[in-house]
Formats: sequence, C-alpha cells, structure tokens
Amino acid sequence: QQQVKQSPQSLIVQKGGISIINCAYENTAFDYFPWYQQFPGKGPALLIAIRPDVSEKKEGRFTISFNKSAKQFSLHIMDSQPGDSATYFCAASDTGTASKLTFGTGTRLQVTL
Amino acid sequence: ETGVTQSPTHLIKTRGQQVTLRCSSQSGHNTVSWYQQALGQGPQFIFQYYREEENGRGNFPPRFSGLQFPNYSSELNVNALELDDSALYLCASSLVGASSTDTQYFGPGTRLTVL
Repeated sequence: QQQVKQSPQSLIVQKGGISIINCAYENTAFDYFPWYQQFPGKGPALLIAIRPDVSEKKEGRFTISFNKSAKQFSLHIMDSQPGDSATYFCAASDTGTASKLTFGTGTRLQVTL
Repeated sequence: ETGVTQSPTHLIKTRGQQVTLRCSSQSGHNTVSWYQQALGQGPQFIFQYYREEENGRGNFPPRFSGLQFPNYSSELNVNALELDDSALYLCASSLVGASSTDTQYFGPGTRLTVL
C-alpha cells in the first residue's frame, strides 16, 4: 500500500520559473512532512519540512504548502535554477512510531536555460 | 555534508552470499535508520536502531538484520542475497529524545549489485 503519492513523475521548467510538486497522503497519524533533494549518486538531503499546525512554511526559494483537510502538501521552488535539477522526494512520518519515513516515488526536475 | 558516513561506497556480490554495510552517525545523534532505494524509486524503510535495540521495522524479511554499537554506529547485514537486493542502501541518523527534531540526515549510501 503506497501511503504517499507524488506527482508529477517528471517536470521540466525554464530558468526563473516556478516548479510545483504535489504529494498526497492517506495515514492521518502522519505529523511530520519533509522534502528531500537527491542528486545522482548521492544520498537525499533535507530541503524543508513542515508540521500540520501550520499551512505554509517558506525557506528562501522553497515553500511548502500544507492542506490538512485534503491530506495534501506541495513544494514550490521559486525562481528555479539549473542547479535545482535533481530528484525531489516528499516524505511523511508519524513521530510516535520511531519516525519511520514513508517516501513518495520522486519527481525528476529539469530546469532548462 | 551531513556528517553521516557509509562504507563501502560500492559492492558487488553474487546471489546467495552475505553482505555487511556500515554506517557512522552524525555526532550527537543516537538513532540510525536504514533504507533501501531501488533504481528510480523512493527509499523504503528497512528498520531503525535506538539504544542498540531494533525500534521499528519495515516490510523486509528476517534475512535483513542489523546492529547498533555503543558509539551509535550501525551495521546492516543481508544474508542469502537475491538479485532484487541490488539497490542503494541508505543510512540516516537522527536524535530521538527530549531534544528530538525528527529530522533524519542521510549518508551517501552504499550501492550494492547482486549478480
């Protein structure tokens, strides 16, 4: 059972544009929602994370929007740059159960010049 | 860099063999989680170790086992390797306890190829 669904699978955005990646979850016990960025041959690196008590969190060019009633959250990358080209994973965990992260299937982002 | 290190970086084994992967957690962290990432997929949780005890396990068979040592470093052991075990194995360290932030920091991974 896939508990975190991520879309789109791939995304091409022009430099300076906005990249939007969406995730939906099923488990209402999830209370921690991080986004990870992964470059080829590297481990995932934490970008930004949110908890359900806020609807939006912004760090630099990265913003998470969170909709608890719809059980959805999204990552917005403003002013996308070629260096942002990577695979992005949303994840979720129930911090009451050892913080096991359940990951989405990933979005491969390509930012073109 | 997260301060989480893994060894070896690459490994080639044949079906039926056994393998041990190693992870050193970030300074100050007391918990290690292991994930398997197949090509083109998201990481899948294998298990977590806290205070040298297994503290949660994903949907992986018993031939996947682990250890955590008093210095919080960890090993992942896989017996009777199968072709489908070919993947990137990721270790993540975190701090669980009064100062917990739930953030998991990943190492660079070990690429295991089973022939």
